[in-house]
Amino acid sequence: DAGVIQSPRHEVTEMGQEVTLRCKPISGHDYLFWYRQTMMRGLELLIYFNNNVPIDDSGMPEDRFSAKMPNASFSTLKIQPSEPRDSAVYFCASSSGGQQPQHFGDGTRLSIL
Amino acid sequence: GNSVTQMEGPVTLSEEAFLTINCTYTATGYPSLFWYVQYPGEGLQLLLKATKADDKGSNKGFEATYRKETTSFHLEKGSVQVSDSAVYFCALSEGGSYIPTFGRGTSLIVHP
Repeated sequence: DAGVIQSPRHEVTEMGQEVTLRCKPISGHDYLFWYRQTMMRGLELLIYFNNNVPIDDSGMPEDRFSAKMPNASFSTLKIQPSEPRDSAVYFCASSSGGQQPQHFGDGTRLSIL
Repeated sequence: GNSVTQMEGPVTLSEEAFLTINCTYTATGYPSLFWYVQYPGEGLQLLLKATKADDKGSNKGFEATYRKETTSFHLEKGSVQVSDSAVYFCALSEGGSYIPTFGRGTSLIVHP
């Protein structure tokens, strides 16, 4: 069974450019989570979806960040315009909800120059 | 609100040493408890879990016991290997909220 798939694995771009990160959750999982991980702040929850509907986006740092889930098998996290302080590893995770564990992708390492 | 507190790292050990990574939690209800491991360049993966008091989770030689009286879920391994070098995260999840709470992570470095 395939795990959570994220693309790209690495992204290097210049400040001001639009960045789109992609995620394919595990089939049958109703919950999808986007996290950001940095040395300074650790693992931060940005937003999560249930049945493709955004439930809590209080962790999204500012209006430059947006996330969508057009169907059960695909989600995007977009940053426009990007800034150097957005450099981090971004993880997508999915779960079947409740007290079930989360399954993480291998992350996208984003560097904004 | 819920919270998870882990010991500060890095924890540095020699191969075959005994490992303990402390984890304590605060929760309003009866959470499930988890340990995740993150190897370099990878995402977090579930190491073990326990769903009720006095349960012991175990996997790959690692163990942790859900202690409700001390609100703890300490991770232990009797003999660590170099391949165990990673970052370990303690986490909890309650039935009323689908947002898990993670600790800050503890880096483990095992020398040959």
